[in-house]
Amino acid sequence: EVQVVESGGGLVKPGGSLRLSCAASGFTFSNYSMNWVRQAPGKGLEWVSSISSSRSYIYYADSVKGRFTISRDNAKNSLYLQMNSLRAEDTAVYYCARAPCYSGGSCHMDVWGKGTTVTVSS
Amino acid sequence: DIQMTQSPSTLSASVGDRVTITCRASQSISNWLAWFQQKPGKAPALLIYKASRLESGVPSRFSGSGSGTEFTLTISSLQPDDFATYYCQQYYTYPYTFGQGTKLEIK
Repeated sequence: EVQVVESGGGLVKPGGSLRLSCAASGFTFSNYSMNWVRQAPGKGLEWVSSISSSRSYIYYADSVKGRFTISRDNAKNSLYLQMNSLRAEDTAVYYCARAPCYSGGSCHMDVWGKGTTVTVSS
Repeated sequence: DIQMTQSPSTLSASVGDRVTITCRASQSISNWLAWFQQKPGKAPALLIYKASRLESGVPSRFSGSGSGTEFTLTISSLQPDDFATYYCQQYYTYPYTFGQGTKLEIK
């Protein structure tokens, strides 16, 4: 079964750090771009970051640039999001999503995990 | 950044109705558009990609159309399981952006 499973969420104080993980199974992880998308309580979806299959291309939303770092380990079929200098507005469910890419680099998100909850509060 | 605007924000309909949700991009995105369905407490699920391609396993009552800046998601005959929130998303360029969502409610 093709799936991605997030972990690592929790309660953290403002200014703190957290590392999210996403474990992939049922597909060749190294062939796919991967993404993090978040959803604040009661709000819509917000794309956070993307990393290409070979780690050559990395993108961030302006809201997290300089604070969050996306990475992947293709040998371990795993995606990560290191989150530093966390703020109350980073409170959200964080989803990991697989993204097959067409030539030209356009990648839609086709497989999503159930999400992991990050709460930033004192 | 490309802004995605969905209309309506809320839609009340009955089982069996045909419904259409519109998504407009602030600039041309060719056909690099996806539609997602999200139910409360669940992850989004891909319905349509590349504006009109039905994701495997998605019922054929869902269809997408459009290109450039205007897109539509149509459900031909609403089923009870379809009452949810729907999002469009452009993946033409980074940062990827989502519409604000359309909540489909039972009338």
